[in-house]
Amino acid sequence: DVKVTQSSRYLVKRTGEKVFLECVQDMDHENMFWYRQDPGLGLRLIYFSYDVKMKEKGDIPEGYSVSREKKERFSLILESASTNQTSMYLCASSPGTPGTSGSFSSYEQYFGPGTRLTVT
Amino acid sequence: KNQVEQSPQSLIILEGKNCTLQCNYTVSPFSNLRWYKQDTGRGPVSLTIMTFSENTKSNGRYTATLDADTKQSSLHITASQLSDSASYICVVSARYSSASKIIFGSGTRLSIRP
Repeated sequence: DVKVTQSSRYLVKRTGEKVFLECVQDMDHENMFWYRQDPGLGLRLIYFSYDVKMKEKGDIPEGYSVSREKKERFSLILESASTNQTSMYLCASSPGTPGTSGSFSSYEQYFGPGTRLTVT
Repeated sequence: KNQVEQSPQSLIILEGKNCTLQCNYTVSPFSNLRWYKQDTGRGPVSLTIMTFSENTKSNGRYTATLDADTKQSSLHITASQLSDSASYICVVSARYSSASKIIFGSGTRLSIRP
């Protein structure tokens, strides 16, 4: 079974803090994704990575950065947390064509359990 | 604009009954359509995938249909069980020459009552 784990299920941070969310997958997948999920809205893509050190912006990258130093690990960084970043954050991984950013639509994505982040 | 609209937003049915969830999309160029199930406090899990040429796909008590001409899909759940209580998310993918786009619907929250 594919396993995607996220470092925390619940996190409470103060405005202005730097926040790290970590995601690890154990299936040697090329692609990894960070989404946020808010009530009444579909999942929105923040960033994705299609290879080690390779990343692309999603639909809502503002206020976020990412890091992928190892294939199995993808980190989401909030440089200075704000209250409008209170949300559920979901990490996902999928197979893909190494070094190719556009292949992920053909593959199933496997999601982690999510991190509920509250910024006060 | 690429969009995925789901209806109803929420639905309550009695255990053992059938139900159908709807998904309309305006995504182009269409690559595939998936239905995901998301239990409370968990990440989504894929139920079915359909490409342009497929119009029905089953997974146990779940049957998905696709009408690529009208850009509509449905997810039919037969003989519902309490464990079917979850959000069901329709996800449509577009594939360009060198890029992909995945658009998520906002989901239908289904509650099964005993």
